[in-house]
Amino acid sequence: EDQVTQSPEALRLQEGESSSLNCSYTVSGLRGLFWYRQDPGKGPEFLFTLYSAGEEKEKERLKATLTKKESFLHITAPKPEDSATYLCAVKQGGTYKYIFGTGTRLKVLA
Amino acid sequence: DGGITQSPKYLFRKEGQNVTLSCEQNLNHDAMYWYRQDPGQGLRLIYYSQIVNDFQKGDIAEGYSVSREKKESFPLTVTSAQKNPTAFYLCASGGTENEKLFFGSGTQLSVL
Repeated sequence: EDQVTQSPEALRLQEGESSSLNCSYTVSGLRGLFWYRQDPGKGPEFLFTLYSAGEEKEKERLKATLTKKESFLHITAPKPEDSATYLCAVKQGGTYKYIFGTGTRLKVLA
Repeated sequence: DGGITQSPKYLFRKEGQNVTLSCEQNLNHDAMYWYRQDPGQGLRLIYYSQIVNDFQKGDIAEGYSVSREKKESFPLTVTSAQKNPTAFYLCASGGTENEKLFFGSGTQLSVL
């Protein structure tokens, strides 16, 4: 069965304390892995798309990487404004369906 | 500005009542989606549409209905058959296959 598992469920960091979020996936024919940021009561905001193992994308303090089984979202020297839920999703090959993980709730303390 | 507009932001449903959530996009996307989000759970697919006048059931379609009469619009009706409708509903659209989804700001539906 195709699925996406994110860990940890929740993460508390001190400002400046770097860490990584994990997204493990099993999908038949990966056609893209997507990272989103979601603030409470709002829709997800797109961060990155990764298509093949070994690919990396960066944006400010965030860096996403991809292997054949998982993706990591590395957060370097986080700030309180990075506090949000981070969602991972994969696109099934041959369909228009996207499968989402349950997300990691990140809290960065000043 | 291009984007997806969902309305209303908050909606309350009475027992036995059908309610309709609006979703409009001006991104010229063919594909549109409806997801349901419950606390502690991932986004679950209700319905999706790849083209006008065509749509497919997602994983949790029971108690919901949709229409796709125009490319820009994909309204979702939560029927009285949906016994646990309280959730955050998200509409999304996508361009060509394998591209990212764009999301609306969501509608919080609660039961009175």
